[in-house]
Amino acid sequence: GAGVSQSPSNKVTEKGKDVELRCDPISGHTALYWYRQRLGQGLEFLIYFQGNSAPDKSGLPSDRFSAERTGESVSTLTIQRTQQEDSAVYLCASSLEGTGRTKNIQYFGAGTRLSVL
Amino acid sequence: AQKITQTQPGMFVQEKEAVTLDCTYDTSDQSYGLFWYKQPSSGEMIFLIYQGSYDEQNATEGRYSLNFQKARKSANLVISASQLGDSAMYFCAMRERDRPYAGGTSYGKLTFGQGTILTVHP
Repeated sequence: GAGVSQSPSNKVTEKGKDVELRCDPISGHTALYWYRQRLGQGLEFLIYFQGNSAPDKSGLPSDRFSAERTGESVSTLTIQRTQQEDSAVYLCASSLEGTGRTKNIQYFGAGTRLSVL
Repeated sequence: AQKITQTQPGMFVQEKEAVTLDCTYDTSDQSYGLFWYKQPSSGEMIFLIYQGSYDEQNATEGRYSLNFQKARKSANLVISASQLGDSAMYFCAMRERDRPYAGGTSYGKLTFGQGTILTVHP
């Protein structure tokens, strides 16, 4: 597609349930990032993929959070046993990592708004 | 310590006037990149402008320019001729270990400030 696509756009779940959030990056983009944005706040980094590998998972807040990427394309962020504090917008970004004088701009999707009741 | 500080929670500007949104940063890296993103009420993050730490010229992109003062560690966004559609949240972000000049790949998570809400009045 032309841009980064995320689904669902909204997700309401009950405390304790598992949720899966999906990200389809821009075609050909090798790097993929997940961020979390709490209401009225800036974005917090969660995890970074280069290809299908995740060299930086330092932002995942707990072992309830995991993510994978397959085919150097789609990525899924899974939150197990959701808590109310997990309520936030989860944003995905992708970039065309390259060598030399490249800006490697991260382009974002519209996000998934997660509400945990 | 905050790596990115945006001290203006909200700013107001009259249509067609210029406005400056402040951003200061903190890093010990020699090679870093600074970014500004716009987030309208729809929620999507829109890339506006990039400044590399070794760029000699201040970055400009249409009505957006970045007033980069390295010694002061500030990277203020200037929007000229404000339009009603400029009303949004604006985020400053930094990428450390930004190595596009060294021939290597630049990788980096972005660290964001808390944002500034800009309201443009007609």
